[in-house]
Amino acid sequence: DQQVKQNSPSLSVQEGRISILNCDYTNSMFDYFLWYKKYPAEGPTFLISISSIKDKNEDGRFTVFLNKSAKHLSLHIVPSQPGDSAVYFCAAIVNYQLIWGAGTKLIIKP
Amino acid sequence: GAGVSQSPSNKVTEKGKDVELRCDPISGHTALYWYRQSLGQGLEFLIYFQGNSAPDKSGLPSDRFSAERTGGSVSTLTIQRTQQEDSAVYLCASSLRRPEKLFFGSGTQLSVL
Repeated sequence: DQQVKQNSPSLSVQEGRISILNCDYTNSMFDYFLWYKKYPAEGPTFLISISSIKDKNEDGRFTVFLNKSAKHLSLHIVPSQPGDSAVYFCAAIVNYQLIWGAGTKLIIKP
Repeated sequence: GAGVSQSPSNKVTEKGKDVELRCDPISGHTALYWYRQSLGQGLEFLIYFQGNSAPDKSGLPSDRFSAERTGGSVSTLTIQRTQQEDSAVYLCASSLRRPEKLFFGSGTQLSVL
C-alpha cells in the first residue's frame, strides 16, 4: 500500500520553462512534507519542505504547494535549468517515519 | 566530518558471504536511518536509530539483516548469507531529532554475484 505516490516516473521540460512535479498521499496524519533531489551515484539532498499547516513555501526558484483537501502536493521549478536534471523524491513525515514516493526523473532539455 | 560518510562506496560479493556496511553520521545527530534503493525503485526504509536504540526495525527484510549503533554515532548494517536480491544501493541518513531535514551519505552500492 503506497502512502505516497509519484505517478510520473519521468518528466521532460524545456530549459527556461516551468517544471511541475506532482505527489499524492493517502494518510491525513502526515504533518510535514519534503522534496529531495538525487543525482546518480549520490545520496538524496534536501530541497524544500512544507508543514501541513501551510499551503505554500517558496525558496528561490523552488515552490512547493500543498492541497490538503486533495491530499496533493506539487513542486514548481521556474525557470528550469540543466542542473535541475535529477530524480526528485517526495516524502511525508508522520512521527519519526519518512514515507517516500518512488521518484520522478526530471530531464531538462536545452 | 562535515557530512554523512558511508563505506565502502562499492562492494562486490559472492552469494552466501556476509557483508558489513558502515555509516558515520554528522556529529551530534541523534537520529540515524538506513534505507535501500533497488534499481528503478524508491527508497525502502530499513531501520531507524534514536541514539543507540532502534525503536523501529520493521523495515529489515529478513533475519539475515541486522544493524547496530554504538556511542550514539557510527552504525553498521550487516547482511549475512547475501542473496542476489540484496543487490542495491544502501543509504544512510542522519538528522538532529525528527527527520524534517535528513542528510544522506552517498551510499554503498552492493552487488551480489
